[in-house]
Amino acid sequence: AQRVTQPEKLLSVFKGAPVELKCNYSYSGSPELFWYVQYSRQRLQLLLRHISRESIKGFTADLNKGETSFHLKKPFAQEEDSAMYYCALKGGGYQKVTFGTGTKLQVIP
Amino acid sequence: GAGVSQSPRYKVAKRGQDVALRCDPISGHVSLFWYQQALGQGPEFLTYFQNEAQLDKSGLPSDRFFAERPEGSVSTLKIQRTQQEDSAVYLCASSYRYQETQYFGPGTRLLVL
Repeated sequence: AQRVTQPEKLLSVFKGAPVELKCNYSYSGSPELFWYVQYSRQRLQLLLRHISRESIKGFTADLNKGETSFHLKKPFAQEEDSAMYYCALKGGGYQKVTFGTGTKLQVIP
Repeated sequence: GAGVSQSPRYKVAKRGQDVALRCDPISGHVSLFWYQQALGQGPEFLTYFQNEAQLDKSGLPSDRFFAERPEGSVSTLKIQRTQQEDSAVYLCASSYRYQETQYFGPGTRLLVL
């Protein structure tokens, strides 16, 4: 079975402070990991995927297979980063994606 | 360009009623997915289509849930004899093909009274 755990429901940080949103996963094979973001009154959208190894809007995430983690990081939080963030995992033969319960990031001005 | 659209955006149903939720994927997208998102939870996979073929329906919670995509484009998720626990946001997503990024619709918020 595949599982994604996001331990924090809410994370509040001050503008300019570093951000780390935690994500741990459980999967027996080689998963593909994603971060999705949902801004207020907008639809869910892909932020980044581990295979791309890219930085989007200053966010990065590194897959740590030893710790089965895929934490999302940003060195300096901005007010526009306030949103709901979901970690997700895709594994298996088809396209089934398993989402975590989400972390609400609140950046305090 | 036009993204994934869903209708209706909101639906209130009395317990026991049947409902039909529509998804219009991005034109040309082969893959289509349905998710259920309960309050305070992440989206949960319901079913997956590749063109008109339903390749995975393992996430459908009961036989009251039925999805179709007869012409490989528009999809309908039907819920028969709705129950209060069916109240959730139903999300549709599409992708150009296997392994590609999924694009989500705005969702249909279903409230069963």
